[in-house]
Amino acid sequence: DVKVTQSSRYLVKRTGEKVFLECVQDMDHENMFWYRQDPGLGLRLIYFSYDVKMKEKGDIPEGYSVSREKKERFSLILESASTNQTSMYLCASIESSSGNTIYFGEGSWLTVV
Amino acid sequence: AQSVTQPDIHITVSEGASLELRCNYSYGATPYLFWYVQSPGQGLQLLLKYFSGDTLVQGIKGFEAEFKRSQSSFNLRKPSVHWSDAAEYFCAVGTYTGNQFYFGTGTSLTVIP
Repeated sequence: DVKVTQSSRYLVKRTGEKVFLECVQDMDHENMFWYRQDPGLGLRLIYFSYDVKMKEKGDIPEGYSVSREKKERFSLILESASTNQTSMYLCASIESSSGNTIYFGEGSWLTVV
Repeated sequence: AQSVTQPDIHITVSEGASLELRCNYSYGATPYLFWYVQSPGQGLQLLLKYFSGDTLVQGIKGFEAEFKRSQSSFNLRKPSVHWSDAAEYFCAVGTYTGNQFYFGTGTSLTVIP
């Protein structure tokens, strides 16, 4: 089975803190994604990466950055957390061999106080 | 522009009743279509997918979906709903290149005894 692991399930951070959300996939996938999920808004793409050190902005990249130093790891960074970044963050990767099926991690609940 | 519409924000059904969740998409080429389910506090789990071939696809947990090109629809069905099916359901369209996905805003399913 494809495994996408988000190491932090629940985080509480203070406004202005730097926050790292880590995601690891174990299937050698090239494409990885970070989404944000909010009630009534569905999933919104923050960033995606199609290779090591490569990244593309999604629909809502403001206030976020990403890092992909190794193929299996894709990190989301909040340089200076704000209360409007309180949300559920979902990491995902794509398995191209099965028709570009996207697989998700369990999600990281971030609360910024 | 590509988009996915789930017209029903919330649906309530009785246990044992049949279920149909609607999904319409707008996409210029032949789409890759997916349905995902999300239990509270969890990530998204793949229910089923369509790439080509038979337009009626079977998924896990007794779900099926039918691709109708003429109607740009990919509705999810289950003949008899179980209480454990209560969750949020997302329809998605993926591209051939695997670097873009478009999600609907989700349909929340409540199952009553």
